[in-house]
Amino acid sequence: AQSVAQPEDQVNVAEGNPLTVKCTYSVSGNPYLFWYVQYPNRGLQFLLKYITGDNLVKGSYGFEAEFNKSQTSFHLKKPSALVSDSALYFCASQGQGGKLIFGQGTELSVKP
Amino acid sequence: EAGVTQSPTHLIKTRGQQATLRCSPISGHTSVYWYQQALGLGLQFLLWYDEGEERNRGNFPPRFSGRQFPNYSSELNVNALELEDSALYLCASTLGGPREETQYFGPGTRLLVL
Repeated sequence: AQSVAQPEDQVNVAEGNPLTVKCTYSVSGNPYLFWYVQYPNRGLQFLLKYITGDNLVKGSYGFEAEFNKSQTSFHLKKPSALVSDSALYFCASQGQGGKLIFGQGTELSVKP
Repeated sequence: EAGVTQSPTHLIKTRGQQATLRCSPISGHTSVYWYQQALGLGLQFLLWYDEGEERNRGNFPPRFSGRQFPNYSSELNVNALELEDSALYLCASTLGGPREETQYFGPGTRLLVL
């Protein structure tokens, strides 16, 4: 069965430092992978996606993600974190029949 | 361009009642998806509608149902509400079918069942 895992419930980073939010996937065939961000009491905002092509995907707000097929990972990265990046981040995989399969989410906290 | 909209933003019901949640997709989008975000359970797929037809449903009981209207807006109905139905219900839309398409989400409806 297809699955997505985010091994860290919480990531703490100092403002200005690089950040990484980890995601691994288990998918048969070619994976379609997504990152979304959720601010408190809000819906999900799309950040970026990997469908095919370049393993380094650039997205909104300076975020990027690296697709690694051998490690079945799709980690989200940003070179310099902002306090305003503090939010809940979800990795997702496109499953059968329209559904997105989400990881459990990682709470990112960026301290000044 | 307006995004996905949902109404109401909050809904309070008592156990056994029915709840109706509404979603309007991005203009031009024909597919609508519903997800439940319950505390401790994460984001779970509920339903997918495309061109007025239910295309897929997740592992939820039949009291969760919905429909899609000719203008592609959608309604989620939850009958015989239970306490554990309390959650944030998110709607998303895509231009066509889901393959390779980004699902854009609305702000959600927070349902509280007392």
